[in-house]
Amino acid sequence: QKEVEQNSGPLSVPEGAIASLNCTYSDRGSQSFFWYRQYSGKSPELIMFIYSNGDKEDGRFTAQLNKASQYVSLLIRDSQPSDSATYLCAVNIGTGRRALTFGSGTRLQVQP
Amino acid sequence: DAGVTQSPTHLIKTRGQHVTLRCSPISGHKSVSWYQQVLGQGPQFIFQYYEKEERGRGNFPDRFSARQFPNYSSELNVNALLLGDSALYLCASSLGGASNQPQHFGDGTRLSIL
Repeated sequence: QKEVEQNSGPLSVPEGAIASLNCTYSDRGSQSFFWYRQYSGKSPELIMFIYSNGDKEDGRFTAQLNKASQYVSLLIRDSQPSDSATYLCAVNIGTGRRALTFGSGTRLQVQP
Repeated sequence: DAGVTQSPTHLIKTRGQHVTLRCSPISGHKSVSWYQQVLGQGPQFIFQYYEKEERGRGNFPDRFSARQFPNYSSELNVNALLLGDSALYLCASSLGGASNQPQHFGDGTRLSIL
């Protein structure tokens, strides 16, 4: 089992729809969860982080965390073609560990 | 404010050579981490440095080494390059060394081994 798992996609949604990106992780002791966006040929860009169970909203983005189910998700409302990118889920696997463990990413395509 | 800066942007080397990659963190950030990203995968952790000390090391061979300088900039060195070392090398900085500190990435160095 991979430590951080994401569906590789592509996830295709029409413009204006809600895109839902999901991530599961293996270690119940993980405390910090991050979402990065990566455009083709570019470096990852931090868009959200969440530490507590529940929802955290920032503009069109909502991160959701459920530690009991070891599940973290990212919702993008009113999706735009400019949101088309690969979304990487990153987790601090293991208590006290500082390094980020990344999933392989989900490619999102927003159709105009 | 300047973000994380990395140099060089691109590099072409041959097998057996060595390479040094450089990173300057965001002003005020004291922690630097290095990651390797190959096509189609997420970044893989190589090293983390905080206050000039190594705070974590990923599953990479001893050919990989790094250090952090008093101004918090960092170098990643790779010796005896192999074809499989071809990748995007990313540097990320964070304010401190704690696990909940968000890490911000530079543009990366794309290394090609011939």
